[in-house]
Amino acid sequence: ATQMTQSPSSLSASVGDRVTITCRASQGIGSDLGWYQQKPGIAPKVLIFAASKLERGVPSRFSGSGSGTDFTLTINSLQPEDSATYYCLQDYNYPRTFGQGTKVEIK
Amino acid sequence: EMQLVESGGALVQPGGSLRLSCAASGFILADYWMTWVRQAPGKGLEWVANIKEDGSVTYYLDSVKGRFTISRDNAKNSLHLQMTSLRDEDTAIYYCARDRNYFDTSAYYDLFDVWGQGTAVTVSS
Repeated sequence: ATQMTQSPSSLSASVGDRVTITCRASQGIGSDLGWYQQKPGIAPKVLIFAASKLERGVPSRFSGSGSGTDFTLTINSLQPEDSATYYCLQDYNYPRTFGQGTKVEIK
Repeated sequence: EMQLVESGGALVQPGGSLRLSCAASGFILADYWMTWVRQAPGKGLEWVANIKEDGSVTYYLDSVKGRFTISRDNAKNSLHLQMTSLRDEDTAIYYCARDRNYFDTSAYYDLFDVWGQGTAVTVSS
């Protein structure tokens, strides 16, 4: 199975900060990567798909980049409502695999 | 409004069986692959299985292969997960999700764009 390794596992940042989360795949996965946001007790929500495409309705402060094995989710100008856990997910092969998650807290 | 509603979660003993259901509304289930994702208490997300639009193709996580069966009834707009030989480690919230395909110039991508609220499965004696 393709392993997805996220870093950091958690971070704390202030409102207005730029936040970067990385995801590394154990093998090349092209651009077959999505980013999901999950708040406590709520189902996940897709933010980014195909590594860099913003899902409709998602604020433009979220962006994704990367291809092959290394990917990045960036949140520009962090907002209080961005406090959540973020997961990457590869859809290159089976089984689909998620990263272990990055918990983002607001200082 | 597009919606998925899971049901069927319960407390079950190890070795027992359970059938989860997911009712779709606001879209035509037959037009989409569908997926089950689970989340153990305090843990991350784990993909479990998915099924093609017409039910002809399925994929499973290795640890559930042979024990879980994903199926669908497009006429009733419903998705199911039959779980047998349940283990403690199957304890989780189980989410169903719509698997939308996005076609680009030379490739296509998946995204899980509609999710249910989840149903809780607890395996314990």
